[in-house]
Amino acid sequence: GQNIDQPTEMTATEGAIVQINCTYQTSGFNGLFWYQQHAGEAPTFLSYNVLDGLEEKGRFSSFLSRSKGYSYLLLKELQMKDSASYLCAVREGDYKLSFGAGTTVTVRA
Amino acid sequence: IAGITQAPTSQILAAGRRMTLRCTQDMRHNAMYWYRQDLGLGLRLIHYSNTAGTTGKGEVPDGYSVSRANTDDFPLTLASAVPSQTSVYFCASSDSPSGSDTQYFGPGTRLTVL
Repeated sequence: GQNIDQPTEMTATEGAIVQINCTYQTSGFNGLFWYQQHAGEAPTFLSYNVLDGLEEKGRFSSFLSRSKGYSYLLLKELQMKDSASYLCAVREGDYKLSFGAGTTVTVRA
Repeated sequence: IAGITQAPTSQILAAGRRMTLRCTQDMRHNAMYWYRQDLGLGLRLIHYSNTAGTTGKGEVPDGYSVSRANTDDFPLTLASAVPSQTSVYFCASSDSPSGSDTQYFGPGTRLTVL
């Protein structure tokens, strides 16, 4: 098993930047995923990191440090539609994807 | 293209009853998964299947069973439902169980056991 920790809630203003941190402990790291989940909906894929460094996708970026067991998701130019839960998930071995409890981001006007 | 469908959307069930949650994907993905999502606990893997004809236990398999008779369908059965199985259940699929392969989630089934 593994521990995946991320903050429960974050609030930010429209147009601002928010960074969601995720720390994990695992014995067989094989990739880290970020998913977005709007209330009452299914999770949808945002990003994937398996090597150290930054992956950028438009307004969203994800960073990974395997030696520190640390990742963050950076949301830039926040929009109201970005209000959602953001789930950090770590793959251990071939199939097992373990999820953190999620960070609820509220964007205020 | 439907992707992944789940049925029913929601269900209220008496304790002790048997219930099967249905999941169908039309993407010809090899791997399929069942998760439950509870407030404060995140998504937890119940059972998985890497390919048709094979299944495996996840983190919280007790009280649940699955079958994978073909590529498209992956039903989850609660043999005798208990109130602690009240949750939102998500089915997911991916083309292969490793690498950068993304898991795609169905819309979920909200189950209440009374």
